Amino acid sequence: GESVGLHLPTLSVQEGDNSIINCAYSNSASDYFIWYKQESGKGPQFIIDIRSNMDKRQGQRVTVLLNKTVKHLSLQIAATQPGDSAVYFCAEILNSGYSTLTFGKGTMLLVSP
Amino acid sequence: EAGVTQSPTHLIKTRGQQATLRCSPISGHTSVYWYQQALGLGLQFLLWYDEGEERNRGNFPPRFSGRQFPNYSSELNVNALELEDSALYLCASSLGTVGDAEAFFGQGTRLTVV
Repeated sequence: GESVGLHLPTLSVQEGDNSIINCAYSNSASDYFIWYKQESGKGPQFIIDIRSNMDKRQGQRVTVLLNKTVKHLSLQIAATQPGDSAVYFCAEILNSGYSTLTFGKGTMLLVSP
Repeated sequence: EAGVTQSPTHLIKTRGQQATLRCSPISGHTSVYWYQQALGLGLQFLLWYDEGEERNRGNFPPRFSGRQFPNYSSELNVNALELEDSALYLCASSLGTVGDAEAFFGQGTRLTVV
């Protein structure tokens, strides 16, 4: 399940399940969004991106959905594997001209074998 | 091809001291970004350098500063260290502006202020 508190929200799933990680972004003018994966002791790694003129984009085992009406992004991971365990961040660009990525607080995904 | 490299990996300083963190971007990348990641928090944007110039700055006090060298490597300096500066400092580089090109992150420098 998912819990929110002083610590990162955590999503615990079983191996093979589909995972959905949600993110509320802050600025309706943002026009580019990225999901990053950060494993323990490593820097964030690009997973998938989407522009504001799209509402869905698919990659390998991952799908990003964008709902501009409610400023909501989701990352769907199919057939989740233990190697997917990490913290996932969504990021938005508030002003493409100034090229600043603004990150959300992140969600920890824990995958049990 | 080497990724973004940061040094040192870990740094321990006492309150009031200065810290210098270094970043080497991927070869050919001209933009370098610095982020602070405090424990349990998301990444907070610090600085963006491109072609040797500071292009944008996050909401941090002036004691956070940096520069970009002609070879596009970058340095982040934190003066008058405070305990709350303890964090993972991440550097990223991109070929162009983010939005046009992917940003690649280094593994970070863990700064501990005691």
